[in-house]
Amino acid sequence: ELKVEQNPLFLSMQEGKNYTIYCNYSTTSDRLYWYRQDPGKSLESLFVLLSNGAVKQEGRLMASLDTKARLSTLHITAAVHDLSATYFCAVGTEYGNKLVFGAGTILRVKS
Amino acid sequence: EAGVAQSPRYKIIEKRQSVAFWCNPISGHATLYWYQQILGQGPKLLIQFQNNGVVDDSQLPKDRFSAERLKGVDSTLKIQPAKLEDSAVYLCASSTPRQRHIQYFGAGTRLSVL
Repeated sequence: ELKVEQNPLFLSMQEGKNYTIYCNYSTTSDRLYWYRQDPGKSLESLFVLLSNGAVKQEGRLMASLDTKARLSTLHITAAVHDLSATYFCAVGTEYGNKLVFGAGTILRVKS
Repeated sequence: EAGVAQSPRYKIIEKRQSVAFWCNPISGHATLYWYQQILGQGPKLLIQFQNNGVVDDSQLPKDRFSAERLKGVDSTLKIQPAKLEDSAVYLCASSTPRQRHIQYFGAGTRLSVL
């Protein structure tokens, strides 16, 4: 059974600082997604990573995938308050398009 | 392009009552998903449809939950009878292989069971 672990679960950052969120998963997969969720809102797709070594960047966020280590990272550069949200990674299974989500990382950026 | 539509947005019921949620996916998306998101957790898949057929319902509590997707478009999720532990946000999502299977989520229905 695929298990997805994110850490940290809670992250409080100062504006302008850098940090990384980690997503580990337990079985082979070649699809990994990152989503953002604002309080009381639904999930918004950020990145899709489909191969080993894939790297995607959008603004201050950069995501990467290492399928051999079963690890994805979401790196935040020079954080700003608007990045405050909960970030989920989700890993694709071999069966259909089913995704298994991590527990989420609550990010708070303090000004 | 219109997003995934869900209704109602909020629902408060007493335990042992029944409730139904409705979802209209993005036009042309053959795959539809229902998730349960308990406060502080990631979404958990309840059921996945491909057109009007069920692909995966392994985590659906079938003694009280049911779902259908007649005609392969809209879908309804029903809980009967509801329990206190069913309090959660119920999210609907849809996807297509043309967009790398990215799942697009609706705003969700927040259910409170008292």
